[in-house]
Amino acid sequence: SQQGEEDPQALSIQEGENATMNCSYKTSINNLQWYRQNSGRGLVHLILIRSNEREKHSGRLRVTLDTSKKSSSLLITASRAADTASYFCATDGRGSTLGRLYFGRGTQLTVWP
Amino acid sequence: EPEVTQTPSHQVTQMGQEVILRCVPISNHLYFYWYRQILGQKVEFLVSFYNNEISEKSEIFDDQFSVERPDGSNFTLKIRSTKLEDSAMYFCASSAGTEETQYFGPGTRLLVL
Repeated sequence: SQQGEEDPQALSIQEGENATMNCSYKTSINNLQWYRQNSGRGLVHLILIRSNEREKHSGRLRVTLDTSKKSSSLLITASRAADTASYFCATDGRGSTLGRLYFGRGTQLTVWP
Repeated sequence: EPEVTQTPSHQVTQMGQEVILRCVPISNHLYFYWYRQILGQKVEFLVSFYNNEISEKSEIFDDQFSVERPDGSNFTLKIRSTKLEDSAMYFCASSAGTEETQYFGPGTRLLVL
């Protein structure tokens, strides 16, 4: 299947520390997107990285993509308690689907004050 | 900043009843999607819609489901005869292109009794 899978399933850190979450997928992609979801709420888009990009930054977020290993990572630097949420990667399918996204199970990040 | 909106935020219905979930995509977007997330599970693709027709649908999107863009702004998901297993959070999303960021609405939590 196409789905991205995040690792670890759960991550617990102190405020100020960095949080790294990983995503692996199985088939080629056009792009990979990272989303955040607070408990029971909607999906907030964080970053889209295209298959020809290797790294992207947005504020305290840094995303890398290694298409040879079919993996991506999301780094949150200087984490805050407000970063507590579930983080999902979502992949599309190169040339085979019309925008359909495949989501992983997510990483539950808890940041302790 | 433009956003996707969804109504209602919560819906409780009896098994066998019809429900219509409503979405207003971002105004200049051309591609529309419905996803669902059963409690504790992955976000799953249901259907994509472009140019007033379905582009792709998943195996979940059976004959009980239909989508419609009744006017220039709304995008609806109808479940004709709800089942207990339809209880989930339903998300609408829209994008400017199939390889562009998908922006999600806040979701409609559907509970079928």
